[in-house]
Amino acid sequence: DQQVKQNSPSLSVQEGRISILNCDYTNSMFDYFLWYKKYPAEGPTFLISISSIKDKNEDGRFTVFLNKSAKHLSLHIVPSQPGDSAVYFCAAKEETSGSRLTFGEGTQLTVNP
Amino acid sequence: DAGVIQSPRHEVTEMGQEVTLRCKPISGHNSLFWYRQTMMRGLELLIYFNNNVPIDDSGMPEDRFSAKMPNASFSTLKIQPSEPRDSAVYFCASRRALREKLFFGSGTQLSVL
Repeated sequence: DQQVKQNSPSLSVQEGRISILNCDYTNSMFDYFLWYKKYPAEGPTFLISISSIKDKNEDGRFTVFLNKSAKHLSLHIVPSQPGDSAVYFCAAKEETSGSRLTFGEGTQLTVNP
Repeated sequence: DAGVIQSPRHEVTEMGQEVTLRCKPISGHNSLFWYRQTMMRGLELLIYFNNNVPIDDSGMPEDRFSAKMPNASFSTLKIQPSEPRDSAVYFCASRRALREKLFFGSGTQLSVL
């Protein structure tokens, strides 16, 4: 039972344009969401997060949007840069009740120069 | 700090052999997680420890998998006997406190022939 789903295994974008990565979840108890970025041969690294009390969080070129009613979140990268090429994992957790972080399958983003 | 350290980086073994993966968490972190990355399921949580105590091992695939954390600075994930379907990248991650982000190691690429 995949509680966090990233339906697009890959995304290709031109440098300078916007990248939009999507994530859906099924567990209504999730109240904290994170994005991790992973380069080849490295472990995932934290990118940005959002609490369910907000619907948007911005950090430089990265913005995460949360639509609780649709159980959907997205990561926007603008402008996209070739160095952003990586696998992006969406993750979710129940902030107060446990340590467990549930990840999606990941989306391979390729930013072409 | 060197970050989360995993060894070996790569492991190639034959079906039926015992495999031991090792992890040294970041000093001062009191939670440790073992994840497995596959194409189909992304990052799956296998087991996690709080203060060296296993809290949730519901993600461990079957009895062939076992994990230990004898002290705050060391953990092992053992597969005995290994099977080809165990081939994946295994990540260890640690965290200082409940609301803080996970730090991942570089992973162990396991290939079972």
